[in-house]
Amino acid sequence: GDSVTQMEGPVTLSEEAFLTINCTYTATGYPSLFWYVQYPGEGLQLLLKATKADDKGSNKGFEATYRKETTSFHLEKGSVQVSDSAVYFCALSGPSNDYKLSFGAGTTVTVRA
Amino acid sequence: NAGVTQTPKFQVLKTGQSMTLQCAQDMNHEYMSWYRQDPGMGLRLIHYSVGAGITDQGEVPNGYNVSRSTTEDFPLRLLSAAPSQTSVYFCASSPRTPNYGYTFGSGTRLTVV
Repeated sequence: GDSVTQMEGPVTLSEEAFLTINCTYTATGYPSLFWYVQYPGEGLQLLLKATKADDKGSNKGFEATYRKETTSFHLEKGSVQVSDSAVYFCALSGPSNDYKLSFGAGTTVTVRA
Repeated sequence: NAGVTQTPKFQVLKTGQSMTLQCAQDMNHEYMSWYRQDPGMGLRLIHYSVGAGITDQGEVPNGYNVSRSTTEDFPLRLLSAAPSQTSVYFCASSPRTPNYGYTFGSGTRLTVV
């Protein structure tokens, strides 16, 4: 079935460092891909998404490009802040079933001042 | 605009007890779903609904029931609580399918002793 695999954490960075979280997927056809973020004590929030190959999603300085050839959707940010400390989830939807969103295990990111 | 409201925020149950987790949304979203979040496992889909009167099973439906009598409400019932159901439960909604992006509630932390 459709699934995503994301890099294990935790990841600890200093402020202004470059962040990359790897995500790869397994799916037949062309799924939609998402990154969600969960701040401490809160529910998840949609960070960005891409619905077709070569699309780039971006939000709050984060970017991810849908790479069909490598089945990847890596999350990047050029200069992290303490406020970016959170758990990040990669997820996919479809194409076999548009009504189910499959999540990765999550990557905990801590940014130190 | 409240978004997705979950109650209660915390609950402790004894093994064998039943209870209902409440979820309500005020965005007129057709799609609603329940996930459970366990450490290292990401989020797993329990049940989902594509509209009033229509529900379907997700990955881990055993021990849970749902109904959708109105567009706004999607309660999750634990029939006979077991320690394996100790988890954080999230309700999420979307205008039509997960491809539109979810709005999550703030979660219910359930402990079964």
